[in-house]
Amino acid sequence: QVQLVESGGGVVQPGRSLRLSCAASGFTFSGYSMHWVRQAPGKGLEWVAVISSDGSSKYYADSVRGRITISRDNSENTLYVQVNSLRPEDTAVYYCARELRVLGPLDHWGQGILVTVSS
Amino acid sequence: QLVLTQSPSASASLGASVKLTCTLSSGHSSYAIAWHQQQPEKGPRYLMKLNSDGSHSKGDGIPDRFSGSSSGAERYLTISSLQSEDEADYYCQTWGTGNVVFGGGTKLTVL
Repeated sequence: QVQLVESGGGVVQPGRSLRLSCAASGFTFSGYSMHWVRQAPGKGLEWVAVISSDGSSKYYADSVRGRITISRDNSENTLYVQVNSLRPEDTAVYYCARELRVLGPLDHWGQGILVTVSS
Repeated sequence: QLVLTQSPSASASLGASVKLTCTLSSGHSSYAIAWHQQQPEKGPRYLMKLNSDGSHSKGDGIPDRFSGSSSGAERYLTISSLQSEDEADYYCQTWGTGNVVFGGGTKLTVL
């Protein structure tokens, strides 16, 4: 079955950087676009970024563009997101999610990983 | 601008039915959406893709109690025979090229 497992979260000081990973299994990872979505404490879901199946296309939410980089390693079945210049408002649970088909819904989600930005 | 609007809260009794609404912004009434369920302290779970004509395809293992329908710019999620585990946040989601949009979510309370 499809599994997405995030890792790399924790407490980080403002201004520092962090890279999150999402290990995928149970499907042909290289055949799907992948997304990062985050959720601040007590808030709704916020889309962050998407990367195409081959990594050639990347799009970002306006709120994070310039500070976040999405990437993937299809040989390792792993999705990444690097967040730079962390701010307290980046505190959130970060989820990776699979896109069902090109321009389609997110049909599988990871369990999420908490990132807390605090001094 | 592509925006999805949801009521913040809804409630219904155990065993009853409830219909949640997601409204697409002006000019986007032909868009398909997805419904996701987020139980307390859990990650989201994909429920279904819902097209503008009301046809829908559900995710793996989603019970028949969950169904979708559409009317104009409105997209609906109906949950029948409500169970306690249906108490959750429900989000609608849509997409365009290089863009994904979520509604604000509806918190469903099962009385």
